Amino acid sequence: GENVEQHPSTLSVQEGDSAVIKCTYSDSASNYFPWYKQELGKRPQLIIDIRSNVGEKKDQRIAVTLNKTAKHFSLHITETQPEDSAVYFCAAPDTVRYNFNKFYFGSGTKLNVKP
Amino acid sequence: DAGVTQSPTHLIKTRGQQVTLRCSPKSGHDTVSWYQQALGQGPQFIFQYYEEEERQRGNFPDRFSGHQFPNYSSELNVNALLLGDSALYLCASTHLRDGGELFFGEGSRLTVL
Repeated sequence: GENVEQHPSTLSVQEGDSAVIKCTYSDSASNYFPWYKQELGKRPQLIIDIRSNVGEKKDQRIAVTLNKTAKHFSLHITETQPEDSAVYFCAAPDTVRYNFNKFYFGSGTKLNVKP
Repeated sequence: DAGVTQSPTHLIKTRGQQVTLRCSPKSGHDTVSWYQQALGQGPQFIFQYYEEEERQRGNFPDRFSGHQFPNYSSELNVNALLLGDSALYLCASTHLRDGGELFFGEGSRLTVL
């Protein structure tokens, strides 16, 4: 199956700075890459995703970039705010049956934005 | 529109006991998946239910079983509980034809003593 690795495990930034979280994957057939945000004690929620036919996608302060050749994708958060503090997970789908319910998740990055 | 709802939110069991967790999917969704999230880890896929059948399974022993009802709600059962089963159990729903976003519930926090 797919192997998703995520770095760093913790990230501390000053409010207003940028944060970058990187994930690598092993299955070159993977074609959809979501990012989830999980606040303490809350459910994971999708914040942005990208499909393999594009290299970058932006949504206000959040962007995701994809390098299919190197098999990695990254989450970029600009102008960080204290409410961005949470655990962020990347994921890639199972490609054996292209099942969009079976995802392999990274181990998470705990982002702390200091005011 | 109610999202994904799970019950109970917290529960404590002892080793060897059995537990049943419940999930109601988001309105309009027909597919339910269960994930186990150990402390400090990402969610791990347990299995998926569609049309009341288990369609795909992750690397979990047979002690983990499930069920889906005609109204698309689902149960996760774990028998012969081990200490290592302590985790947050997340239910996620989608519509099978849709590709992409998983809608998660708030989870059931299981502690095995």
